Amino acid sequence: LAKTTQPISMDSYEGQEVNITCSHNNIATNDYITWYQQFPSQGPRFIIQGYKTKVTNEVASLFIPADRKSSTLSLPRVSLSDTAVYYCLVKGNQGGKLIFGQGTELSVKP
Amino acid sequence: GAVVSQHPSWVICKSGTSVKIECRSLDFQATTMFWYRQFPKQSLMLMATSNEGSKATYEQGVEKDKFLINHASLTLSTLTVTSAHPEDSSFYICSARGPTTTDTQYFGPGTRLTVL
Repeated sequence: LAKTTQPISMDSYEGQEVNITCSHNNIATNDYITWYQQFPSQGPRFIIQGYKTKVTNEVASLFIPADRKSSTLSLPRVSLSDTAVYYCLVKGNQGGKLIFGQGTELSVKP
Repeated sequence: GAVVSQHPSWVICKSGTSVKIECRSLDFQATTMFWYRQFPKQSLMLMATSNEGSKATYEQGVEKDKFLINHASLTLSTLTVTSAHPEDSSFYICSARGPTTTDTQYFGPGTRLTVL
């Protein structure tokens, strides 16, 4: 399974756009990139998943360059309620297991 | 997204007793379910993978005789912590997905276990 590396923490202010970049140099051809959000004492919540180029939903956008060795989660106009830990994961054919790294602790300030 | 529930949401038990945690997929058939454990200020650690109707596959270092997993139907998996000890106190989270590995994995709300 490809290992992921992302910043341990990030700070932002309400209304700003936040971009969290994740590197996954050893991503395999069949692997997908998926992002989750976790609040304290809750289970992770699915945000977005992609394979290449750009994916957008009502919550976020995911940018994946052609070499797929990294990806960027973009959260438009964050609010205080977006303060959480964000996990970047690579999901492959090995039973589709998700192996969590340390995640990025995002703190949104007023 | 799909909904996964867990019961109970929290449990306190005495050392040496066994505790069962249920994980249900409410609106989809979960071919595969996963169990995680999370200690305070740490990331989720995968404990085991269970497929409906077959034995669970445990990650390295997880005692299969201590953490019994049953996945008897496409909507229910259970984790039983046998002979619990204080060091088993943790946040246990299950997740479920459909039949293909690219299906989205949905997580339950978690169960807080405290062993006295």
